[in-house]
Amino acid sequence: LAKTTQPISMDSYEGQEVNITCSHNNIATNDYITWYQQFPSQGPRFIIQGYKTKVTNEVASLFIPADRKSSTLSLPRVSLSDTAVYYCLVGDLYTDKLIFGTGTRLQVFP
Amino acid sequence: SQTIHQWPATLVQPVGSPLSLECTVEGTSNPNLYWYRQAAGRGLQLLFYSVGIGQISSEVPQNLSASRPQDRQFILSSKKLLLSDSGFYLCAWSPGRTYEQYFGPGTRLTVT
Repeated sequence: LAKTTQPISMDSYEGQEVNITCSHNNIATNDYITWYQQFPSQGPRFIIQGYKTKVTNEVASLFIPADRKSSTLSLPRVSLSDTAVYYCLVGDLYTDKLIFGTGTRLQVFP
Repeated sequence: SQTIHQWPATLVQPVGSPLSLECTVEGTSNPNLYWYRQAAGRGLQLLFYSVGIGQISSEVPQNLSASRPQDRQFILSSKKLLLSDSGFYLCAWSPGRTYEQYFGPGTRLTVT
């Protein structure tokens, strides 16, 4: 089963832009890439979803290269409340299973 | 609007005891339903998913089982709990495979 990998942790300061990358070499052809945010003792919350190129909403941007083997979640001007774990979710090309990434723990400092 | 409920919120059970966790969704019909487990400090492990009543796919061999007796009801069960079953159990729903998943509040299970 192909793994969907992310950096374990990242540190940032308030007001900075944070970019979190997810590697998914065996992404299914027709599946979207979805990103979630999770706070302790809560269920993950949807952030953004895309298929290719760039998607932007009120909280984040998602950059997807043409080969779709990776994706980058961009959080502009983070605040302390953005401290959380961020997960990507993709479908696997060979098993057709939806796979969550390993998660990236973002710590934002004042 | 759609709402997802899970109960109980917390549960402490002895090893060898049975388990039943319930998840219900309101405000939608024929949702895809999912059960995940999250060990302390770890990522999300998909346990079961269902695309319809009576249709359950198991992702990980274990002593847990799932059932979907009604369209918007998803139940996670075990006949005999193990210590390794401790964790945070999350139910989620989505309108379909390619759509975002919406998660419930979770159940914190401690097996002693």
